Amino acid sequence: RKEVEQDPGPFNVPEGATVAFNCTYSNSASQSFFWYRQDCRKEPKLLMSVYSSGNEDGRFTAQLNRASQYISLLIRDSKLSDSATYLCVVNWRDTGRRALTFGSGTRLQVQP
Amino acid sequence: DAGVTQSPTHLIKTRGQQVTLRCSPKSGHDTVSWYQQALGQGPQFIFQYYEEEERQRGNFPDRFSGHQFPNYSSELNVNALLLGDSALYLCASSSLSGGALDTQYFGPGTRLTVL
Repeated sequence: RKEVEQDPGPFNVPEGATVAFNCTYSNSASQSFFWYRQDCRKEPKLLMSVYSSGNEDGRFTAQLNRASQYISLLIRDSKLSDSATYLCVVNWRDTGRRALTFGSGTRLQVQP
Repeated sequence: DAGVTQSPTHLIKTRGQQVTLRCSPKSGHDTVSWYQQALGQGPQFIFQYYEEEERQRGNFPDRFSGHQFPNYSSELNVNALLLGDSALYLCASSSLSGGALDTQYFGPGTRLTVL
């Protein structure tokens, strides 16, 4: 089983739609959680950290459910520029490892 | 303020050869992590350097080695290249002393093709 699992998509949605991505992680000792965005043939860029209380940044809302080991990202009012791959990322606590573990990513295509 | 830089941008090698990739971290950052991203996959952690020492290592063979210099820049070396080493190699920098080690900023990557 992969440490971080995501639905690969692609999610094809019209402009203005609301879309939600989900992610599950296997290690309950995970400490930090993030969503990164990666455009085609570019490097990943931090979109937002994910906190237990949930957090919002403009049109983006992230939620964390530690009991279910589940992370989500909600994008409202999708724009063409939101088309990208969204990577779910966790950092483990138990080994003291300070390296990020990535899911394989979910591809989003927003259509006009 | 320069971000994370990597060189070269692209590289083509043949099986059995050796390659060296370079990374300069973001200003103020002291920790460099290297990742390998195969096509259609998320980045996989190779290793991390802090204070010129390898601090952590992912599940990669000894053919993958690295170095960090006093100015915090880093090199990734891969020996005896295999076709399966073809990937985007990403360098990420962060600040241990700043207490925000989890927040990593990525360079543009080096795309390695092994023929």
